[in-house]
Amino acid sequence: EVQLVESGGGVVEPGGSLRLSCAASGFTFSVFWMSWVRQAPGKGLEGVARITEDGGAKYYVDSVKGRFTISRDNAKNSLYLQMNSLRAEDTAVYYCARGGYRSPDNWGQGTLVSVSS
Amino acid sequence: DVVMTQSPLSLPVTLGQPASISCRSSQSLVHSDGNIYLNWFQQRPGQSPRRLIYQVSHRDSGVPDRFSGSGSGTDFALKISRVEAEDVGVYYCMQGTHWPHTFGGGTKVEIK
Repeated sequence: EVQLVESGGGVVEPGGSLRLSCAASGFTFSVFWMSWVRQAPGKGLEGVARITEDGGAKYYVDSVKGRFTISRDNAKNSLYLQMNSLRAEDTAVYYCARGGYRSPDNWGQGTLVSVSS
Repeated sequence: DVVMTQSPLSLPVTLGQPASISCRSSQSLVHSDGNIYLNWFQQRPGQSPRRLIYQVSHRDSGVPDRFSGSGSGTDFALKISRVEAEDVGVYYCMQGTHWPHTFGGGTKVEIK
């Protein structure tokens, strides 16, 4: 069974940083693209970043370029999202998702990031 | 970015009756490889999104056959042949043809 477990969310002040992690199990992590998708409270979904199987290519939505960095460690079956210079509008539940080349097919339960002073 | 427009915003349905959700994209979703990467997700209250349909009409494993997807070019639809109580939630279309991948605003399905 595919399992994706996010961690690292919390409350942070504007301008601060957080690092999200996603532990993957139940599938061969190293052969899948991976993604981060977020959902602001009471709002819809937004694709944030995606990364190729080997981490060689990374893609970001414009609103996070230069502030967020997606990475992965295939030896640890883990996906990460380093978030710097956080803004109030980054407040959301962040989902780790398997796939991202064309479509995320399995999602974690999400971790809440709240940016507030 | 490709804008995905869903309608209606809210869809009250009687149990056992059909339901249909429309999704329109601001540009063609036909990829250079000839495929159309249009997906449908269901998000039940308090849960993570679950993919139901990929590439317009392919049902994911375990998805009941009362769910079906159709469409081409820029116009797509998700149909539920007979709504059941467990179908309550918000449904999103998502295009994976162009980066950034973008989602529709969601359609809330509720029971009358």
